[in-house]
Amino acid sequence: DTGVSQDPRHKITKRGQNVTFRCDPISEHNRLYWYRQTLGQGPEFLTYFQNEAQLEKSRLLSDRFSAERPKGSFSTLEIQRTEQGDSAMYLCASSQTGDNEQFFGPGTRLTVL
Amino acid sequence: AQSVTQLDSQVPVFEEAPVELRCNYSSSVSVYLFWYVQYPNQGLQLLLKYLSGSTLVKGINGFEAEFNKSQTSFHLRKPSVHISDTAEYFCAVSRSSGNTPLVFGKGTRLSVIA
Repeated sequence: DTGVSQDPRHKITKRGQNVTFRCDPISEHNRLYWYRQTLGQGPEFLTYFQNEAQLEKSRLLSDRFSAERPKGSFSTLEIQRTEQGDSAMYLCASSQTGDNEQFFGPGTRLTVL
Repeated sequence: AQSVTQLDSQVPVFEEAPVELRCNYSSSVSVYLFWYVQYPNQGLQLLLKYLSGSTLVKGINGFEAEFNKSQTSFHLRKPSVHISDTAEYFCAVSRSSGNTPLVFGKGTRLSVIA
């Protein structure tokens, strides 16, 4: 068990560019969650998957955000036409159905210039 | 919808002193309750959770929390803190229907002073 991994750990981009983040959950976990954490705040839920199905999306997830989990394993989060307000830490977590504990990855820190 | 209020944004405490980090929640449905810790440049780690049963929950690193339904609180306590406990602590809730997204408080920064 290597834990939840995220790539990249840091991303600096210019406003208007597209970015994509990857999350690899713990191998036997079928649920995968994305959260966003801004400075001085707690994580805020964005979306989650059970296997490859996207079950819920937050109102925070604007049309510029899209998430996929095509084979029910890793997931990607894409942000199109980035804005400075998108600067945040993007956290991924995974869990197994029936177990209420979510295991978090180290996060991807996005800075939009 | 659920919400979580962490009443203190920063708590300084001397080493070996006791500490209590306060958390109140609001929900129209039954919830599960969690405390997570975040060390600098690391991901969130679960300290403890309340699902059902005994209202006093013991977690890792000597922490414990007590669920109080009438006061909708889930305060975190440790009888004697160490320098290594310096971190950000987050209280969170989820719907008790299981495996649902977490709603977090804004966090409490615990600073242990030597």
